[in-house]
Amino acid sequence: RKEVEQDPGPFNVPEGATVAFNCTYSNSASQSFFWYRQDCRKEPKLLMSVYSSGNEDGRFTAQLNRASQYISLLIRDSKLSDSATYLCVTTGRRALTFGSGTRLQVQP
Amino acid sequence: DVKVTQSSRYLVKRTGEKVFLECVQDMDHENMFWYRQDPGLGLRLIYFSYDVKMKEKGDIPEGYSVSREKKERFSLILESASTNQTSMYLCASTQILSYEQYFGPGTRLTVT
Repeated sequence: RKEVEQDPGPFNVPEGATVAFNCTYSNSASQSFFWYRQDCRKEPKLLMSVYSSGNEDGRFTAQLNRASQYISLLIRDSKLSDSATYLCVTTGRRALTFGSGTRLQVQP
Repeated sequence: DVKVTQSSRYLVKRTGEKVFLECVQDMDHENMFWYRQDPGLGLRLIYFSYDVKMKEKGDIPEGYSVSREKKERFSLILESASTNQTSMYLCASTQILSYEQYFGPGTRLTVT
């Protein structure tokens, strides 16, 4: 079983839609959680950290549910520029553990 | 701006060749990492280093070695390249006690 599991998608949504991704993690000792964004043929970049109390950054909201061991990312009012792969990341045994990503395609 | 550079964007090597992938960061970060990224498998950690001359195995170190002689430079070595090492290789760095990893642009290695 993978340490971090994500639905690979793709999620095809129209501009302006709200879309949500979930990911589950297996290591109950994980302390920190993040969402990274990876554009096609580019390197991953940190999108936002995920806190127990939930956090919001503009159109993006991240939530953590420790009891169920899942993390979510909500994107409101999707833009074409949001098209990318979103990687769910937790702290692993030695370093960060990355999910394989969920691909989002926002269509005009 | 943090900059992480990798020596090549694309590389084609033959089976059995020794391959060197170089990574340089310019922000005086203590920690450096090498990953490979394959479709459906995500990023998998090969090796990492918390300091000069220090290295630790990640999740898939077999067939690889690393060298960190200077703080800014972390090299990944494929001692004898094999076709199953065809992949995208990504280098990253972080400050000590930080989880924000800055990635290089990646090297797409093809072993024929």
